[in-house]
Amino acid sequence: ILNVEQSPQSLHVQEGDSTNFTCSFPSSNFYALHWYRWETAKSPEALFVMTLNGDEKKKGRISATLNTKEGYSYLYIKGSQPEDSATYLCAPCMEYGNKLVFGAGTILRVKS
Amino acid sequence: ETGVTQTPRHLVMGMTNKKSLKCEQHLGHNAMYWYKQSAKKPLELMFVYSLEERVENNSVPSRFSPECPNSSHLFLHLHTLQPEDSALYLCASSPTGGFVGLYNEQFFGPGTRLTVL
Repeated sequence: ILNVEQSPQSLHVQEGDSTNFTCSFPSSNFYALHWYRWETAKSPEALFVMTLNGDEKKKGRISATLNTKEGYSYLYIKGSQPEDSATYLCAPCMEYGNKLVFGAGTILRVKS
Repeated sequence: ETGVTQTPRHLVMGMTNKKSLKCEQHLGHNAMYWYKQSAKKPLELMFVYSLEERVENNSVPSRFSPECPNSSHLFLHLHTLQPEDSALYLCASSPTGGFVGLYNEQFFGPGTRLTVL
């Protein structure tokens, strides 16, 4: 069974704070790492797909890094806003065929 | 309609009923997926279809039966379910499956909230 760990489980921050989450996965047989944002009552929405060791991706105030050798990825949010409140999911792809294995997610709540 | 749609959004069924969940994608994608999210558990992949062929059946009980008649439609036929099958069922699609599909983001529908009594 593939073990994907996300930490912390939940996070409450003030508007304007910067924050980061961790996704840990087995480093062998790695193909790609997906990050998704899932707002309440909406569909999960892709943030990044990362494949190369040392890869860094950025979308607005959100960025992510990937370390495939040690099996982790960090997601950073700079200057959190209330609209960033969501569950952030990571999902490594460890098998051929785009079969994602999701972590339990990090729940972010940003207070204004 | 745009994106990925799912019907119904909510479904309550008895253990002896037969029902179907429908997913439709309007994105021209070639791969489609069914996921299940039970209470307090991560999203769990159930089935993968690539170009209408099933490429993954993730040890799912036979009371769940998928069908992909074309690349735009995906069904999940349900029969003799158990109360523990109550969950949110999400459909997703991506441009391609297979090796190239590893690098494709997946587009999710809003889900069907299923309750089995």
